[in-house]
Amino acid sequence: GAVVSQHPSWVICKSGTSVKIECRSLDFQATTMFWYRQFPKQSLMLMATSNEGSKATYEQGVEKDKFLINHASLTLSTLTVTSAHPEDSSFYICSARTGGKTDTQYFGPGTRLTVL
Amino acid sequence: AQSVTQLGSHVSVSEGALVLLRCNYSSSVPPYLFWYVQYPNQGLQLLLKYTSAATLVKGINGFEAEFKKSETSFHLTKPSAHMSDAAEYFCAVSQETSGSRLTFGEGTQLTVNP
Repeated sequence: GAVVSQHPSWVICKSGTSVKIECRSLDFQATTMFWYRQFPKQSLMLMATSNEGSKATYEQGVEKDKFLINHASLTLSTLTVTSAHPEDSSFYICSARTGGKTDTQYFGPGTRLTVL
Repeated sequence: AQSVTQLGSHVSVSEGALVLLRCNYSSSVPPYLFWYVQYPNQGLQLLLKYTSAATLVKGINGFEAEFKKSETSFHLTKPSAHMSDAAEYFCAVSQETSGSRLTFGEGTQLTVNP
């Protein structure tokens, strides 16, 4: 099946710094990618929808200036957590939509962010 | 608006026993329903999805789920649990067959005892 990768798989940073997380569709082009956030022992919450070549659409309550999303190509979307704080520590998961006749969403393995 | 409720945050079964994970949904439009499995520190893997073609859906690893509109349910079952089935299971709803913009349930942690 289709593969979606994320880099890094885990990152530890100091409070106040910015962290960039990459999401790549390895064997298909994804016109749409999604970013989810998962707190420990909780469900996934959709943060934003990322469309190639256009601005991301953020869900209600998600700070767009805090979580910068760039979808520069059909295989890459990035999430930058700006001025990270400990409360931003979470598991961030991306997914990519294949489009076409067998339109399906595939999830990446996730990135564990810990802000000290 | 759409929402998903998973009854039971933890389910424990013996190896070889029936697995039943409950999911009820609410949707203002005909829903597309999904079950995902998540192993520790990993992303989500699609088990199966309902897209209105058939009410009984068969997925991977021997799992299946039945869509019951009258009960607004989409419960996940497996006749015989394996140790490798131990994981977190999420039910989700979307308004698109691709599963875009999913709304997830709270998740059910399945434990399989030897």
